[in-house]
Formats: sequence, structure tokens, C-alpha cells
Amino acid sequence: AQSVSQHNHHVILSEAASLELGCNYSYGGTVNLFWYVQYPGQHLQLLLKYFSGDPLVKGIKGFEAEFIKSKFSFNLRKPSVQWSDTAEYFCAVNAQGSGSARQLTFGSGTQLTVLP
Amino acid sequence: GAGVSQTPSNKVTEKGKYVELRCDPISGHTALYWYRQSLGQGPEFLIYFQGTGAADDSGLPNDRFFAVRPEGSVSTLKIQRTERGDSAVYLCASSLQGFGTEAFFGQGTRLTVV
Repeated sequence: AQSVSQHNHHVILSEAASLELGCNYSYGGTVNLFWYVQYPGQHLQLLLKYFSGDPLVKGIKGFEAEFIKSKFSFNLRKPSVQWSDTAEYFCAVNAQGSGSARQLTFGSGTQLTVLP
Repeated sequence: GAGVSQTPSNKVTEKGKYVELRCDPISGHTALYWYRQSLGQGPEFLIYFQGTGAADDSGLPNDRFFAVRPEGSVSTLKIQRTERGDSAVYLCASSLQGFGTEAFFGQGTRLTVV
């Protein structure tokens, strides 16, 4: 079964600082990768996704992520964060294959706090 | 357009009671997922439906948990003999076809077992 690791549980930044949130997964086969965001009091929303093609994917609100297959990583980045980016961020993976590999597996999340 | 709808939004029940949580997916989405999210954790997979059938129920923690989707649309997650450890937010998501398509999440049902 696949697993997802998010290295930072809580990140605190000032506005305009650059952001990078780490995500590593364990699965040897072909994967789809996702970053979801959960703003306070709201439901999970998709930020961006990687299925195939260009490993650098751009999402909403200026976020991007880079898939590095050799490192089993899919780190999320944003050049300049805003106070409104305060939220919890979840990396998720599902794998091509059968059975439990097809489920969407989430990391434990990173709480981002942006100070005004 | 309507998103994924979950009812109730909050449910408080006594230990040992039976509860049902409802999920109304986005119209036309054939895939439906149930997840459980405990405080400070990411969503944990419970069960995945493709149409009416449970394609993967490997995440259900024990036989007190059961889910149905009789007509391939609305799904109900049923928990028997609830325990305090069942307290969590139960999330439902749907996607157009399952693997390889984006999953849309509902707001969740916060279950508290007292």
C-alpha cells in the first residue's frame, strides 16, 4: 500500500515570504499526485494535481508543485505567501493498479500560518 | 452547481448507539469515497464505491462500520454500537469516474460519541 509523508506539521511565515512544503510518497508504480487545501471552517479543495506530462504543475492562487520521480517527491511552492493562504495543506496520492492502490491516500497535513 | 452534500453536519450520540451519515454526491459522479479525519490527522480512507458496488472497503476499521449506495447516487455510512474512539469528522467525496479524476469533498459530518 502507498503512504504519504509531509515533513512539516506547522509552518509559520510572514507575508511575502516564499513557501515550500515537502511531500514524499512511497509507491513504486505510476501515481497521480494532488495537493488539497482546507481553509478554516471550509471543506477540502483541490489546489493542483499531477497526472502525467510536465512535472511542474501550476495550480490556483499562484501555487505550483514539482514532481520529481527519482525522489518520490511532490513539493508545493509559492513565491510569495499572503495572509489569506493560512490553512492546512494536504498532499495525496493514488496509484494505478488494482485494489487498495486505487484509493486516495493523504499525508497528515501541514498547518500554514501567515503572519500579516 | 451543487457540490457534495453531507448530512447532518454535526451528530452527537451516546456510546453504544447506532448512527447513519448521509452523502449526496455531485450529480453524474460514479465514484464515491468515505474518509475519516481525526484531529491533527489527514483524511483516512474508509471505502470507495464505483456505481452501486463497493470497489474497495479495505479501510473500514471493523464490522461495526458499513456503507451502502443502493442506486449509485446517495450513500449512507452506518456505524453500529458506536464507541468514543469513533469520534471524528467523516468526509465524503465524489469524482466523475474514480481513479485519475479529481475528487470533490463535502463539508463533512462531525460525529461525537459521548
